[in-house]
Amino acid sequence: SQQGEEDPQALSIQEGENATMNCSYKTSINNLQWYRQNSGRGLVHLILIRSNEREKHSGRLRVTLDTSKKSSSLLITASRAADTASYFCATDHSGGSNYKLTFGKGTLLTVNP
Amino acid sequence: DAGITQSPRYKITETGRQVTLMCHQTWSHSYMFWYRQDLGHGLRLIYYSAAADITDKGEVPDGYVVSRSKTENFPLTLESATRSQTSVYFCASSHGQSNQPQHFGDGTRLSIL
Repeated sequence: SQQGEEDPQALSIQEGENATMNCSYKTSINNLQWYRQNSGRGLVHLILIRSNEREKHSGRLRVTLDTSKKSSSLLITASRAADTASYFCATDHSGGSNYKLTFGKGTLLTVNP
Repeated sequence: DAGITQSPRYKITETGRQVTLMCHQTWSHSYMFWYRQDLGHGLRLIYYSAAADITDKGEVPDGYVVSRSKTENFPLTLESATRSQTSVYFCASSHGQSNQPQHFGDGTRLSIL
C-alpha cells in the first residue's frame, strides 16, 4: 500500500507546548498535504507541500518534507486547546493526472488547558 | 452559502436494504470523491469522479455504486447493505489538478443492523 502512516497515533500535551507529528510514505509523491479533523466533522485542509519543497509555514504550522527519507513532519507551535483534533497526512502519487490522495490513519492530538 | 453538503447526516438501516447517500457541491469542482472512515483504517477511497459521467474505482469499491450525471452531485448507493458497510462516509471535491486541496463534507454516519 502507498498509504502514509502518522506517528505517534496519539499525542497529549499542555497548552503552550509545541506538537510534532510525523508521516512516512512508501513511494514517490507529487505533493503531501496535511488535514485536520475535529470530532464529528469533515477534514479541513491545512497545508500542502510540493515534492520540490523542503519546508513550508502557515501561521503556527510548520511542515517539512524529506523526500530522500520519504517522510514529513507537522509542527504546531504554541498549541491551544482548540488545536485538539485528529491530524492526517495525505499523499498525491498521481504525478499530475488522475488526481487522488492516499490518507494515513491519523494522529489524535489532545491539548490540555 | 457555497460548499459541500452531505445528506443524511445519520442513517440507520437493515442488511439487504438499498441506501443512497447524497453529496452536493456548489464550487463546480471537476473532481469528487467518496471515502469511508473506520477505526484502525483511516480514510479509504471508495470511488471518485473526474467529471460528469466519468467515474473510477478506488481502494474499496465492492458493494458500492456511484453515478455523476451532473457536475455538482455525486450520490453513493449501497445496493444491498451489509453490516461491514457500517461506517462514516465522507464526500469531498477538488479542482482536480494536482497541488489542489480536497474539500470535505461533514459526513454521513451509517449504521446497518
